[in-house]
Amino acid sequence: LAKTTQPISMDSYEGQEVNITCSHNNIATNDYITWYQQFPSQGPRFIIQGYKTKVTNEVASLFIPADRKSSTLSLPRVSLSDTAVYYCLGNYGQNFVFGPGTRLSVLP
Amino acid sequence: EAGVTQFPSHSVIEKGQTVTLRCDPISGHDNLYWYRRVMGKEIKFLLHFVKESKQDESGMPNNRFLAERTGGTYSTLKVQPAELEDSGVYFCASSPVWGRNNEQFFGPGTRLTVL
Repeated sequence: LAKTTQPISMDSYEGQEVNITCSHNNIATNDYITWYQQFPSQGPRFIIQGYKTKVTNEVASLFIPADRKSSTLSLPRVSLSDTAVYYCLGNYGQNFVFGPGTRLSVLP
Repeated sequence: EAGVTQFPSHSVIEKGQTVTLRCDPISGHDNLYWYRRVMGKEIKFLLHFVKESKQDESGMPNNRFLAERTGGTYSTLKVQPAELEDSGVYFCASSPVWGRNNEQFFGPGTRLTVL
């Protein structure tokens, strides 16, 4: 069972870069690292996924060191609409394991 | 393209009653998943369908929960009889492929309240 640990909450201001780090010490060799975002009253939404090194898409970047025991989600220049809960997911077999997530609050 | 839809959005029932939740996955997605978050807890996996077959139902809490996916399209999750601890939000997700690197598309959830 790949459990993850991440900060419960973070505050940021508009326009700043936000980095959320997740620890996954017992990640399995074949597991990917996946991040989801959830707004109130909505289901989780896929943000980004990676296996190693760095992955970038139009929304975020994901940095994964060589030992893969942690990962960092980077959100460039956040806005108020980025206020949400961010989940770093581990895997149990082929299915996702959600932790408590990080509640990001973006302030004006 | 329509996303994953769930019905109803809210349901309030009394303890002992039966409730059926419905999920319509994205068209063409063979994989369908059910999750739930009960009050104050984390989102937990319940089960996974591949087409109409149950691939993994290790997360189903007990035999009061019955999931079906007849014809491999929409799925239903029935709770009978409902208990107070079943209150929470039930999410459905779907994906076109299945594997450790799959992207699951979630519906908005059904909020179930058992009184």
